[in-house]
Amino acid sequence: GAGVSQSPSNKVTEKGKDVELRCDPISGHTALYWYRQRLGQGLEFLIYFQGNSAPDKSGLPSDRFSAERTGESVSTLTIQRTQQEDSAVYLCASRGVADGSNQPQHFGDGTRLSIL
Amino acid sequence: GENVEQHPSTLSVQEGDSAVIKCTYSDSASNYFPWYKQELGKGPQLIIDIRSNVGEKKDQRIAVTLNKTAKHFSLHITETQPEDSAVYFCAARDSNYQLIWGAGTKLIIKP
Repeated sequence: GAGVSQSPSNKVTEKGKDVELRCDPISGHTALYWYRQRLGQGLEFLIYFQGNSAPDKSGLPSDRFSAERTGESVSTLTIQRTQQEDSAVYLCASRGVADGSNQPQHFGDGTRLSIL
Repeated sequence: GENVEQHPSTLSVQEGDSAVIKCTYSDSASNYFPWYKQELGKGPQLIIDIRSNVGEKKDQRIAVTLNKTAKHFSLHITETQPEDSAVYFCAARDSNYQLIWGAGTKLIIKP
């Protein structure tokens, strides 16, 4: 079946512009995560959606970052007034439940964001 | 909260030799430990995982061992091949069902 799909795959924009990144999770997956990965670094948790519960926003680095998800479908991560330090790969992952237990996270290939 | 440390940051081995990557965690309540492989330009892919009710799990050339007492787990790759070259991440799931990630290990397979 289809995996996690992210778009665009690459985004180059000027400092100060707003950007919107999209994630299409695996169908039926109730949980969705956004991570940031700077060049050569590990995964930095940003935000987590679980069904209709309030999202866990504890990883968002500033109020310039926000994310939305409607139900169990597409999610968008928005970065306002981009700064050069926002340059990174933004990864999305989704997770389902099977047989009453949580399943592993499945990742998309990310959006590579470059701020000029 | 949970903290995961991963070593080494870079590992270079001769093709055909074994590679071992180690992770330690701090929260004894953690009960699920996945390993992910990330190739250049791709998202991380799950390669093997282990739950706290077992001590070892094997899948062909890949194995993971877990020592709950010492709070560490390791990834073992035998008979390494060029396609094993990648960055490997360990993680531990905390009580909020969040994955806490190690910093990654760059594995280089020398021909």
